[in-house]
Amino acid sequence: IAGITQAPTSQILAAGRRMTLRCTQDMRHNAMYWYRQDLGLGLRLIHYSNTAGTTGKGEVPDGYSVSRANTDDFPLTLASAVPSQTSVYFCASSDSGASGNEQFFGPGTRLTVL
Amino acid sequence: GQNIDQPTEMTATEGAIVQINCTYQTSGFNGLFWYQQHAGEAPTFLSYNVLDGLEEKGRFSSFLSRSKGYSYLLLKELQMKDSASYLCAVMDSNYQLIWGAGTKLIIKP
Repeated sequence: IAGITQAPTSQILAAGRRMTLRCTQDMRHNAMYWYRQDLGLGLRLIHYSNTAGTTGKGEVPDGYSVSRANTDDFPLTLASAVPSQTSVYFCASSDSGASGNEQFFGPGTRLTVL
Repeated sequence: GQNIDQPTEMTATEGAIVQINCTYQTSGFNGLFWYQQHAGEAPTFLSYNVLDGLEEKGRFSSFLSRSKGYSYLLLKELQMKDSASYLCAVMDSNYQLIWGAGTKLIIKP
């Protein structure tokens, strides 16, 4: 059982390019999340999905889009990357979005935009 | 605005006890989480508090006072492998987690 996986592990990207970060979970969790983690700041929520077919905006959604076509996959797309999107991106999932449900994190994608 | 405060860095000695504090101001409260994150790795769940009081889990305990907007994580019998960042997160009224910047804990022999 893999849990939650992310790809790629790391990526260097030219500004203006389009990039999709992949996230897959095999725990049949309903809720999934994308965070970015920057030095000196807490994890910040980009987008979330409480169930397949629905998505919502988090704290820092601008420049990012997501889709949730099925339970397992939750890709994050940067339509036109900018240097301020250089960060470590974590995908997470939980049984539901309700109180008390711990979130399980993927290993992260380290993205550098030049 | 919403805010989670925790110390940036703490140092402790192997075998000792350390307490990591977290204060919060959020719009609503649906529980407080502590996560551990080793350098270069993903956060992993440690504890969850929704009611006031102490929750004990082995060498780790977590305390919550909702009236004071305060929590702490207590680590006993420190081991070198406990060197990591400890993240405090509060679930707000929208059931979204608001995260502190984390406390980097350095354990010395």
